[in-house]
Amino acid sequence: KAGVTQTPRYLIKTRGQQVTLSCSPISGHRSVSWYQQTPGQGLQFLFEYFSETQRNKGNFPGRFSGRQFSNSRSEMNVSTLELGDSALYLCASSSAGARNTEAFFGQGTRLTVV
Amino acid sequence: AQSVAQPEDQVNVAEGNPLTVKCTYSVSGNPYLFWYVQYPNRGLQFLLKYITGDNLVKGSYGFEAEFNKSQTSFHLKKPSALVSDSALYFCAVRDPNTGTASKLTFGTGTRLQVTL
Repeated sequence: KAGVTQTPRYLIKTRGQQVTLSCSPISGHRSVSWYQQTPGQGLQFLFEYFSETQRNKGNFPGRFSGRQFSNSRSEMNVSTLELGDSALYLCASSSAGARNTEAFFGQGTRLTVV
Repeated sequence: AQSVAQPEDQVNVAEGNPLTVKCTYSVSGNPYLFWYVQYPNRGLQFLLKYITGDNLVKGSYGFEAEFNKSQTSFHLKKPSALVSDSALYFCAVRDPNTGTASKLTFGTGTRLQVTL
């Protein structure tokens, strides 16, 4: 069974640009969450999607958005990039409705804003 | 709101010696607790979880964790450390009242350094 796949692995963008990151969950997983990891703030929850609907949201500005498609693949978008958006963005998927299961993470997308 | 504390930024241990990485939590209700490991430039890899049942949970690569409700702790342990265990370890808690397994609150991480 393939794991969680995130593309691209690395990105370099300029301040003010926008970026889209992609996440393909494990087959059969309908819940996808996104996290931002930085040295200063650690791992912070961005949002979670389930059946194409945002179910939970972390404390991030509106520049951070996401969506989920009918095949459970998810994208997150960051508009008007700032230097502080440089981070490792991690996607996690889990089985829906299984309260005792764990989340599985992708390898992340390393975003560098210059 | 739930929270997790990992009081040690780094733990140093010699190969072959036992290791402990500490974690305490705060959550209303029964906690769902997890340990993940992260190698450089990689994502998080699941090690083990406590949902209910035995307080001693066994996981991947010889790791285990002890759940202690009275001390609100969930320390990660391994009887004999390997150099290859050197990595960043995260403790996480999931709000048991949410319907999702992938909304987690993480600790700040503990870097484990195992030396020969």
